[in-house]
Amino acid sequence: ETGVTQTPRHLVMGMTNKKSLKCEQHLGHNAMYWYKQSAKKPLELMFVYNFKEQTENNSVPSRFSPECPNSSHLFLHLHTLQPEDSALYLCASSQEYPFDEQFFGPGTRLTVL
Amino acid sequence: QKEVEQNSGPLSVPEGAIASLNCTYSDQGSQSFFWYRQYSGKSPELIMFIYSNGDKEDGRFTAQLNKASQYVSLLIRDSQPSDSATYLCAVTSGTYKYIFGTGTRLKVLA
Repeated sequence: ETGVTQTPRHLVMGMTNKKSLKCEQHLGHNAMYWYKQSAKKPLELMFVYNFKEQTENNSVPSRFSPECPNSSHLFLHLHTLQPEDSALYLCASSQEYPFDEQFFGPGTRLTVL
Repeated sequence: QKEVEQNSGPLSVPEGAIASLNCTYSDQGSQSFFWYRQYSGKSPELIMFIYSNGDKEDGRFTAQLNKASQYVSLLIRDSQPSDSATYLCAVTSGTYKYIFGTGTRLKVLA
């Protein structure tokens, strides 16, 4: 595997389900990010982890819970989501936050029924 | 005022023309500037970055930075239909945040 990988690529869940999104970067980077991108809307930064420590949380509802066990892995735990949470969730990584370019994974297309 | 502003477009240019995409930023202390391309349904990918005033060229792409006027632009020469995408500007602000603009949708007409 190379670059930034995300699983699953597609996810359909009910509002009462609990699921997790996984991101792994194979680039040796120190910073990882979660973004949300809704249809025809700009990228919304959700969380930033730098050297495994959360450095930014942009007022994200508590139904989204991030976890960063090491510099290569990032999870986004989902529970009791709303239909408006349906979006493309993108993971990214960079060597150094916030000065370096970010490399994005392919994203997880989430649909909440 | 938004921290990073782009015209949402669409910007339509004929094939072979020069496409000019602009981005303005509000923080005078901004240090690093990036252009990403995002095809519909795909994730953003880096095209270029620029740190110093002036021009930086890479193939058909030229990034221009003017810190005094607080804008950065991307020129695409000999535009091709495959260049049709949304172009995102990103800036490292003086407060050490990485901020994306809303993107400009480019359509290159064959």
